[in-house]
Amino acid sequence: AQSVTQPDIHITVSEGASLELRCNYSYGATPLFWYVQSPGQGLQLLLKYFSGDTLVQGIKGFEAEFKRSQSSFNLRKPSVHWSDAAEYFCAVGASSSYKLIFGSGTRLLVRP
Amino acid sequence: NAGVTQTPKFQVLKTGQSMTLQCAQDMNHEYMSWYRQDPGMGLRLIHYSVGAGITDQGEVPNGYNVSRSTTEDFPLRLLSAAPSQTSVYFCASSLDRDGKNIQYFGAGTRLSVL
Repeated sequence: AQSVTQPDIHITVSEGASLELRCNYSYGATPLFWYVQSPGQGLQLLLKYFSGDTLVQGIKGFEAEFKRSQSSFNLRKPSVHWSDAAEYFCAVGASSSYKLIFGSGTRLLVRP
Repeated sequence: NAGVTQTPKFQVLKTGQSMTLQCAQDMNHEYMSWYRQDPGMGLRLIHYSVGAGITDQGEVPNGYNVSRSTTEDFPLRLLSAAPSQTSVYFCASSLDRDGKNIQYFGAGTRLSVL
């Protein structure tokens, strides 16, 4: 069965520092998604990858790169803002993209 | 545009009680899904629907029933609540365009079963 692994449960970065959140997937890689969840809120789509250019741009200055050779779809941001503190979820479409399999999430803390 | 609306936002039940979590979308999306979110486990698919009158089971369907009589509504029923169903429940809807299907989520219902 398809699966998604987010190896980091928590990550703490200083405001202004760069960020990379890891996501590894099993076979049947696409489509891939990153969602963000602020405390007490629902999930907001950050970016998506279906096919084509392996570097995708999303909202709020985030980007992700699909690397088939490494089975990864890591999320990056060059300079983190305090408002980026949230929980981030990577997800893959299971046989079709209306059935998502989620990773366990990475909680991002931002130091002032 | 309201998007995906879930009610109630919070609910406390006693073991054995029944209730229905409501989900409505106003985007004319054909696909709708229910997920539960538990600490350290991400979101897991409970049931989904690919159109009015059509539903199917997801990863964790036991203890939950669904129906889809209209395109707009996709209620989730707990017939006899158990403490293991304490969770945050999210409804999502989506539309398939050119083979691309992107899910939009509601704000969630936080359920506690005592």
